[in-house]
Parts: sequence; structure tokens; C-alpha cells
Amino acid sequence: EAQVTQNPRYLITVTGKKLTVTCSQNMNHEYMSWYRQDPGLGLRQIYYSMNVEVTDKGDVPEGYKVSRKEKRNFPLILESPSPNQTSLYFCASSLSGYEGTQYFGPGTRLLVL
Amino acid sequence: KQEVTQIPAALSVPEGENLVLNCSFTDSAIYNLQWFRQDPGKGLTSLLLIQSSQREQTSGRLNASLDKSSGRSTLYIAASQPGDSATYLCAGDRGSTLGRLYFGRGTQLTVWP
Repeated sequence: EAQVTQNPRYLITVTGKKLTVTCSQNMNHEYMSWYRQDPGLGLRQIYYSMNVEVTDKGDVPEGYKVSRKEKRNFPLILESPSPNQTSLYFCASSLSGYEGTQYFGPGTRLLVL
Repeated sequence: KQEVTQIPAALSVPEGENLVLNCSFTDSAIYNLQWFRQDPGKGLTSLLLIQSSQREQTSGRLNASLDKSSGRSTLYIAASQPGDSATYLCAGDRGSTLGRLYFGRGTQLTVWP
């Protein structure tokens, strides 16, 4: 089944404790990205990757890091999480950034205390 | 900066009604436009994609159109059913930032039997 998977689905952590949210897609997509969804603000893009080893900032990159060492994986790293990073995070992928449906993962709900 | 407005914010209708959901972009230079459905606690499910060369897409009881001159899109749902109850999100990208979707805040739809 074609899908985007994320882990963990739910996470409670404390300020400053580094964490990684994994994202994997099995559709051989080149384009992957991360969004966060906050009430009243909608979904906003954090980082994106056009292909392996090619990443760039989205609209709200502060406090996040990403890497793209393999085509299928695109982890999101919070080096020192803060309470304002409490949010619902979605990973997405598409064939390319130029065309094609974007497929979203099931989401990771993060609470930073 | 791209702003996306969805009207109405919420809609509650009896089963069987035909519905129109609206979406407008402050920057009318939309490249691809996608409509999503989001169920509570779940990820985003892609409903329809209108690619750069297209003006309209249909899937079953759903029809989406895009007027690029005005930056407006409409999602038409025919013969609504209780299973259509969800939040509907529109999102578009621009030629200068391909792949980065700018989302509206959604229309929360309730269809009652």
C-alpha cells in the first residue's frame, strides 16, 4: 500500500530534550516536506527536500533541522524543543515539487512541557 | 505572502443537499491546487488535484474548479452524506515556491441524517 508513515504518533517531552520524528514514504517520491498545524494558523511548511541531499527552509524553520540521506526517509529533528513547538506535525511527499498529488502522513502530536 | 481564505468556516446541512465550498488566494498565481479532507485526529486525505494546465477535476460526487484569473477555487459536493462530515482544506502552491502548499483554515462540514 502506498503510504507515508510517521513515528511516533504521539510524544510528550520536556523543554530541551532532543527528539527526532521519523518520516518514510514507499512511493519513490522525490519531494518531501514537513508541516505543522496549529489552531487558528492552519498548516505551515517547516522544511522541504527536492531530492536526496537537497533541503531548504519553508515558512517556519526556526528550531528545526532536517536531513535527507535516503530518498524514502526525511526525519525532523528538534535539537532543543520548546513549548511553542507543541503542535501537530505532518510529513508529506509527492512525485516532484512541480506536479503530482501530495500525500500526507497520519500526523505526530507533540507536547513540549 | 500568500493568504488563503475558506468560506464558510463551518457548515451544517441535512443529508442529500448539494454543497459549495469556497477558497480564495490573495496571490492569484496558483500553480497546482489541491483539496483535502481531514477527519478528527487523522491526517489529510487528498481529494482532488488541479494541476497547472487544468481548470477542473471530478471524482465521484466531488467536483473542483479553479479560476486562475481571480485565484478562486470551488469544491462542489453532490448529494451529501453523513460520511462526508469532516474538515475540508484547500491548498495551492506558486511557481516561485513549487511544492510548498499554502493552506486555508478549512471548512468544517457536518452532514446530519
